[in-house]
Amino acid sequence: EDKVVQSPLSLVVHEGDTVTLNCSYEVTNFRSLLWYKQEKKAPTFLFMLTSSGIEKKSGRLSSILDKKELFSILNITATQTGDSAVYLCAVHNAGNMLTFGGGTRLMVKP
Amino acid sequence: EPEVTQTPSHQVTQMGQEVILRCVPISNHLYFYWYRQILGQKVEFLVSFYNNEISEKSEIFDDQFSVERPDGSNFTLKIRSTKLEDSAMYFCASSEEGRGGGYTFGSGTRLTVV
Repeated sequence: EDKVVQSPLSLVVHEGDTVTLNCSYEVTNFRSLLWYKQEKKAPTFLFMLTSSGIEKKSGRLSSILDKKELFSILNITATQTGDSAVYLCAVHNAGNMLTFGGGTRLMVKP
Repeated sequence: EPEVTQTPSHQVTQMGQEVILRCVPISNHLYFYWYRQILGQKVEFLVSFYNNEISEKSEIFDDQFSVERPDGSNFTLKIRSTKLEDSAMYFCASSEEGRGGGYTFGSGTRLTVV
């Protein structure tokens, strides 16, 4: 059974701090790993990672995948209150489904 | 930006009743999905749908569940006889191809079974 574990469960930081969110996985027939941000309702797509060691970057957010050690990290630099959300990691296997982790709840205080 | 639209946003139903959750996927997308998230738990895959048939389903998606694309735009999830444990947020998603990264999620329907 495919498994995705995220850590920490929750995190409270102050504006301007840098955070690192972790995602480890066990999946048969790995295709890709995805990061989503979930604020109130729908998960919104952040990154899709398929290759090891290649950093994906979007503004203050970046992510990298290690397919040997089976994990990914999501970094957020210079955090803002608008970054407060649940961050979800999901893996896509050879079938057409995503397996989600439990999420990391990030709270950024002013 | 194109959106996946779900209706209703919140539905309350009595145990044993049938419910139909509706979704309008993005128009040029070919793959459609339903996921659910019980309060405080993980997002879980229910079913994927392509070319007018189910391509994959999880063990959650038992005989009480069915999906349909009744016309060119709507994609529905029917729960035949709701149970208390069906209370959850149900997300519809669509993608242009089955690559995972192209998923767009709808804003969800919160189903409450009383």
